Amino acid sequence: NAGVTQTPKFRILKIGQSMTLQCTQDMNHNYMYWYRQDPGMGLKLIYYSVGAGITDKGEVPNGYNVSRSTTEDFPLRLELAAPSQTSVYFCASSYPGPSRRYTFGSGTRLTVV
Amino acid sequence: DQQVKQNSPSLSVQEGRISILNCDYTNSMFDYFLWYKKYPAEGPTFLISISSIKDKNEDGRFTVFLNKSAKHLSLHIVPSQPGDSAVYFCAARGTPDSSNTGKLIFGQGTTLQVKP
Repeated sequence: NAGVTQTPKFRILKIGQSMTLQCTQDMNHNYMYWYRQDPGMGLKLIYYSVGAGITDKGEVPNGYNVSRSTTEDFPLRLELAAPSQTSVYFCASSYPGPSRRYTFGSGTRLTVV
Repeated sequence: DQQVKQNSPSLSVQEGRISILNCDYTNSMFDYFLWYKKYPAEGPTFLISISSIKDKNEDGRFTVFLNKSAKHLSLHIVPSQPGDSAVYFCAARGTPDSSNTGKLIFGQGTTLQVKP
């Protein structure tokens, strides 16, 4: 059981470049999320999805886009990368319901230079 | 506007002693609280949770206490072990919106070091 798989694990981008962070889950979870973790700032929600075809903005969506064409996949697109997007990105998934026990991927460490 | 706050960035305790990690929140509408544990180069993993209708939940060495009047929760680890050394995140379930996702809002994290 793979859980939540994120690729790549590391990436260095130049300012202005674009890339897609991949996230796949095999638990048939309806809900999926993208968070970024900056030092001393905790986890900030970028985008989330409650099911295929449905996405919405979180707390820090600027500079990012998402899509959810299948239950399994929730890619995060960075357009025109900026140094402020240097961070560790985590994808997570969960079932609906009160407990909100997220399953996280292992993260993508992105550096924009 | 930090709705969930962990004011201690780090904590160091001796093996066998108690570790107490604290978390404060500002929104009285939060109804579910969770603790996640994170090792370096890994994603956070669920540790323990508590509903707002309870004031204590216990799971082995881990106990979470909730004081709703003070908007404060704490995680107690007894006895602490070197393998507990990690970053601990407190999280609260946000007020359900029209889509009822009730997204989690995380604190900044506290790095726990348990010394042998």
